[in-house]
Amino acid sequence: NAGVTQTPKFRVLKTGQSMTLLCAQDMNHEYMYWYRQDPGMGLRLIHYSVGEGTTAKGEVPDGYNVSRLKKQNFLLGLESAAPSQTSVYFCASSPPPGQGRYEQYFGPGTRLTVT
Amino acid sequence: ELKVEQNPLFLSMQEGKNYTIYCNYSTTSDRLYWYRQDPGKSLESLFVLLSNGAVKQEGRLMASLDTKARLSTLHITAAVHDLSATYFCAAGNYGGSQGNLIFGKGTKLSVKP
Repeated sequence: NAGVTQTPKFRVLKTGQSMTLLCAQDMNHEYMYWYRQDPGMGLRLIHYSVGEGTTAKGEVPDGYNVSRLKKQNFLLGLESAAPSQTSVYFCASSPPPGQGRYEQYFGPGTRLTVT
Repeated sequence: ELKVEQNPLFLSMQEGKNYTIYCNYSTTSDRLYWYRQDPGKSLESLFVLLSNGAVKQEGRLMASLDTKARLSTLHITAAVHDLSATYFCAAGNYGGSQGNLIFGKGTKLSVKP
């Protein structure tokens, strides 16, 4: 089991460029999440998905889009990157409620710098 | 709106001492998590607390939950240098279309000899 993996690990973008971050999990989890972590801010939820084909907004969704075409993958897109999106991005996954397991499992993170 | 507040945000301890990190949350939450993060690394799950009065222990760390006071604590016993890390608590409500957690800002713990 690889758990939760993220691609790429590092990326530098120029303002206005676009990119997609890929998250993959092999635990057959229904729920997947994208967070960003900024110094002194903890983690903030960007978007999440409760199943294939469904997505929902979190705390800080502006400037991001997501897609969940396959159960094991959750993509985070930046259409026009801004310096304020410089951050470390974490993906996580968890089983749905009712299975007695409640943990969110985190990927290794993607460090994104927008210049 | 659920808000999560941790204190202290920074904690410098001597080895062998005891201390407690506090996590307050503002509205009803049916689950409370504690995570550890080492510099440049991902988050490692420590504890999941689901009910009032829940207490869990792992080594020198013990977490408890008081849902009436909307308070969770992470108690460190006889600290050692290996416990130096940032500790986050997170609260949320599970079920239906909701699956999201709200994180505290983290407590950066430094254990000195």
